[in-house]
Amino acid sequence: QVQLVQSGAEVKKPGASVKVSCEASGNTLTDYYLNWVRQTPGQGLEWMGWITPNTGDTVYAQKFQGRVTMTRDTSSSTAYMELSSLRSDDTAVYYCARGESGDKIDYWGQGTLVTVSS
Amino acid sequence: DVVMTQSPLSLPVALGQPASISCRSSQSLVFSDGNTYLNWYHQRPGQSPRRLIYKVSIRDSGVPDRFSGSGSATDFTLKISRVEAEDVGVYYCMQAIHWPPLTFGGGTKVEIK
Repeated sequence: QVQLVQSGAEVKKPGASVKVSCEASGNTLTDYYLNWVRQTPGQGLEWMGWITPNTGDTVYAQKFQGRVTMTRDTSSSTAYMELSSLRSDDTAVYYCARGESGDKIDYWGQGTLVTVSS
Repeated sequence: DVVMTQSPLSLPVALGQPASISCRSSQSLVFSDGNTYLNWYHQRPGQSPRRLIYKVSIRDSGVPDRFSGSGSATDFTLKISRVEAEDVGVYYCMQAIHWPPLTFGGGTKVEIK
C-alpha cells in the first residue's frame, strides 16, 4: 500500500521559512518522482516542483525559483520541501505526491496546512 | 506554460443522472512516445486529490466503471454515467508532458441537485 505521510500544520510569520516533510513507503523516493503541489484556500492546484527518482535532481516551477528547496533523505525515506521568505499568500495546503516518469502524479499525501500570519 | 481550461465551473446533477466535464489544453498533449499524458483527479471536501484516470482513458485500480475518459490532442472529457452521492467534490484535469510546470485545470465542482 502506497503511503505518503506528511508533517503537521505550521503557523509562520511573514518573512520566515517553513520546512514540510513527507515520509514515503517502500522504495517510493528511489523509484518515483516526488512532487510538491500546493492548494491555496478555495483555489485550485499549483505544482511547485519535483525530485527525480534516480539522481535526486530537482526541477522547480519558475514562480518558486529562489524560494523553494526540495531535498530527500533516502535512508529515512523522507522528502522535504522548504519555502523561504513567506508571504501571506503562501498560506495553503502543501501536498507531496509521487508519480511515474510519464504520468507524473498518482498518489498524494494527506496535505500540510501552512498558515502565514503576523 | 500550458493552460488547462475546464468547463463548467459548477455542475449540479441529480442522482442517477449523467455528468460530463470538459478540459481543453492550449497545446497538444501527445508525447513523442505516442502516449497522451492527461490525468483526471477527484477531490472530496477535506480530502487529498485522488487520481481517477491517466493517459486520457485508463481508469485507476478501484475506480468504478461509471467513470470514463476520452479525447485527444487538446480536447478531453470526463464522463460519469450515473452520478452517485460519493461523486460530489471537485474534479481536476492535469497535463504531464509540457514541464515545467505541470499544470492543472481550474476545477469543476460537482454537486447533487
